[in-house]
Amino acid sequence: SQQGEEDPQALSIQEGENATMNCSYKTSINNLQWYRQNSGRGLVHLILIRSNEREKHSGRLRVTLDTSKKSSSLLITASRAADTASYFCATDATGFQKLVFGTGTRLLVSP
Amino acid sequence: DAGITQSPRHKVTETGTPVTLRCHQTENHRYMYWYRQDPGHGLRLIHYSYGVKDTDKGEVSDGYSVSRSKTEDFLLTLESATSSQTSVYFCAIAEDGTDTQYFGPGTRLTVL
Repeated sequence: SQQGEEDPQALSIQEGENATMNCSYKTSINNLQWYRQNSGRGLVHLILIRSNEREKHSGRLRVTLDTSKKSSSLLITASRAADTASYFCATDATGFQKLVFGTGTRLLVSP
Repeated sequence: DAGITQSPRHKVTETGTPVTLRCHQTENHRYMYWYRQDPGHGLRLIHYSYGVKDTDKGEVSDGYSVSRSKTEDFLLTLESATSSQTSVYFCAIAEDGTDTQYFGPGTRLTVL
């Protein structure tokens, strides 16, 4: 069963706008990760947040984690056309990196 | 793609035939994983390996077997391919002590 569910399923914005994607999961976790997938390519790791962290930044990315609500959000600020991709959250509940992925959010950033 | 290759990149086969997909890494990472990606399901873990000859099942392991006789190679075998195994298969690797997985480019498998 899928642990992570993401919304929205698709998001269309203009360059320069911010994009926010949300992920919900069902059980306790060790960490939550976000990955990006460009069309036809493998996934690329973006950022990891541990269960004892609430917020993390990396460049234009900001991730929050609310373990009481079992949810996370990914914010991409000042979006660029190159950010067009699918974004997936993935959770590790076992500590052995047996990741469970969400169904993803397709982001389209128009010039 | 972090020194990970997958072969073949595309394959079309018929129902009932055995198929083997290969994942090769040059990073000497301990952990290796096989996922399948299907529309509406995201990625699902099939099998993983935590060392040479050490493997375990993932969420969707039925109909699949794996082998790892060398650190650099992780093979996924579909013993008797079915149309439900039509998918894109991704291999991933991870270094011991880290939580980041690096993905290969994927293999698109079509079972007719």
